[in-house]
Amino acid sequence: SYVMTQPPSVSVAPGQTARITCEGDNLGNNIVHWYRQRPGQAPVVVVYDNSDRPSGIPERFSGSNSGNTATLTISRVEAGDEADYYCQVWDGSSHHYVFGTGTKVTVL
Amino acid sequence: EVQLVESGGGLVQPGESLRLSCVASGFAFSTYNMNWVRQAPGKGLEWVSYISSGADTIYYADSVKGRFTISRDNAKNSLWLQMSSLRAEDTAVYYCARDTQMRSGWLFDNWGQGTLVTVSS
Repeated sequence: SYVMTQPPSVSVAPGQTARITCEGDNLGNNIVHWYRQRPGQAPVVVVYDNSDRPSGIPERFSGSNSGNTATLTISRVEAGDEADYYCQVWDGSSHHYVFGTGTKVTVL
Repeated sequence: EVQLVESGGGLVQPGESLRLSCVASGFAFSTYNMNWVRQAPGKGLEWVSYISSGADTIYYADSVKGRFTISRDNAKNSLWLQMSSLRAEDTAVYYCARDTQMRSGWLFDNWGQGTLVTVSS
């Protein structure tokens, strides 16, 4: 089945930029969505369709997807951005939804 | 307001069965595909199963295929997950999640609060 790999953790100082990668075979040919999950809460979409933002998500969140790598970028990081982040795709060949392995973002 | 409320979790022994429920409100349940997603303690998200709005298309993750059964009743705005032959590795918080098609792709735009299933002797 399709596998997407993320770095286990990313640490960033407040005000700096966090970049979270999601790697998968020919991932650029798929549509990637990103979720934020705070402790004890359900996931929330922060970027969809590779680079679009839902209403209510700050412009500081952006996404890209090309080649084998999708990237979620959080600019001007704030303490409230500390959470786990997951990429997700629909794998049409297996008819499965697939999540990435997840990345814990720590704000220093 | 969209609400998804799961119930039915608990402590069961290996090999036993359990049925999870999800009651939906605040949207036209019968027009949406639905899913179960789980998260083992301290681990990542794992998609479990999908059911189309009319229940005519169903998919399962390889890890649960043959042991779990997803179903729904649109008249009752309800989604279920019948879990049998439970294993320790099925221990997780189980989320009910609504399926939505965006401009290009499909994602989970609304989630319940989750219900904890613990499989242990």
